[in-house]
Amino acid sequence: TQLLEQSPQFLSIQEGENLTVYCNSSSVFSSLQWYRQEPGEGPVLLVTVVTGGEVKKLKRLTFQFGDARKDSSLHITAAQPGDTGLYLCAGDGENNQGGKLIFGQGTELSVKP
Amino acid sequence: ETGVTQTPRHLVMGMTNKKSLKCEQHLGHNAMYWYKQSAKKPLELMFVYNFKEQTENNSVPSRFSPECPNSSHLFLHLHTLQPEDSALYLCASSQPGTGAGEQYFGPGTRLTVT
Repeated sequence: TQLLEQSPQFLSIQEGENLTVYCNSSSVFSSLQWYRQEPGEGPVLLVTVVTGGEVKKLKRLTFQFGDARKDSSLHITAAQPGDTGLYLCAGDGENNQGGKLIFGQGTELSVKP
Repeated sequence: ETGVTQTPRHLVMGMTNKKSLKCEQHLGHNAMYWYKQSAKKPLELMFVYNFKEQTENNSVPSRFSPECPNSSHLFLHLHTLQPEDSALYLCASSQPGTGAGEQYFGPGTRLTVT
């Protein structure tokens, strides 16, 4: 069974600080996605990484896919209160059929002004 | 309407009631999903439909009954639910065979079973 472990599960920081969220597995994924979910809403896709070692930037967010495609990280620079939310990573397994994604348990981020 | 819509957004029902959740996607996708999201737990995949055919039932109790009349619409029929079924129910869609399996989610239905 493929699993994705996210860490930390909870993170409370002050505005302007930097942070990194990790998503790890012992399995290889053909691609990995990051989502952000606000309370009472559905997850919104932020980015997809597909190539080992790939780095993608989205304004102050930097996403990296591990060389072996088993792990990923999300780094936020100078966090803002608007970054508050639940961050989810999700992997598309190498032999995945039917479009199922495997989700991590999420990281709840709170950025205080 | 764009993206994935879900109705109702909030639902309170008794354990003997029958209700239905509706999901509609305007993205031209051919795969649709139901997820359950409980507090402090990871997203739980419930059902998967590909081209209107159910391809996954993740050991979901029979008190949850999905229906997919066409590729754009997905329903979840609820009857004799239990209080532990209270959760956020999310619908998602994707296009099989393209991209990297990205799924697009609706806003969810917050269900409370009393």
